[in-house]
Amino acid sequence: DIQLTQSPSSLSASVGDRVTITCRASQNIDTYLNWYQQRPGKAPSLLIYAASNLQNGAPSRFSGGGSGTHFTLTITDLQPEDFASYYCQQSYIIRTFGQGTKVEVK
Amino acid sequence: QVQLVQSGAELKKPGASVKVSCQASGYTFRNFAMHWVRQAPGQGLEWLGWTNPAIGDATYSQAFQGRVTFSSDTSANIVSMELRSLESDDTAVYYCTRDAKVVGSPENYFDPWGQGTLVTVSS
Repeated sequence: DIQLTQSPSSLSASVGDRVTITCRASQNIDTYLNWYQQRPGKAPSLLIYAASNLQNGAPSRFSGGGSGTHFTLTITDLQPEDFASYYCQQSYIIRTFGQGTKVEVK
Repeated sequence: QVQLVQSGAELKKPGASVKVSCQASGYTFRNFAMHWVRQAPGQGLEWLGWTNPAIGDATYSQAFQGRVTFSSDTSANIVSMELRSLESDDTAVYYCTRDAKVVGSPENYFDPWGQGTLVTVSS
């Protein structure tokens, strides 16, 4: 199975900050990598698909990058509604998720 | 709009089975696979497997092989997930989510998600 390792597991930030979350795959997954946001008590929602494509309706302060085994999710100008958990997910072979990153208020 | 609506919360005893349903609307049901994902309290997301409603086949995560079954009713646009031999560790929110393809590319992603169904296993 393909393992996804996210870092950090949690981070503290302030409104207006720039935040970067990393996702590393245990083998090459090309750009078969998606990012989801999950607010407390809610279902996850798609943010970024195929590594770098912003989902329709997602704010442009979110961006994704990378390919192969190293991927990033960057949030510029962090907003109050961005304090949530973020998960990477691969679709190269079956499906797996990273363990998640919780973005908390500093 | 594309929508997935799941059945309500369940309380089960250890050793029992549970069946969660997911009704799809707003798209051609047979054209998209459906996945199941769960989330234990305070934990991350765990993939259970997927089913192709058009042909009725399924692929299950090794962690759940032999204990889970997916089924589809194409006349009602419903997919269901049955989990057997429940243990307290199966207490979680269970989500259905549609497998969507990137246009012109081979990549897939999950969109949308159902609202989730809380399954509580307790004696």
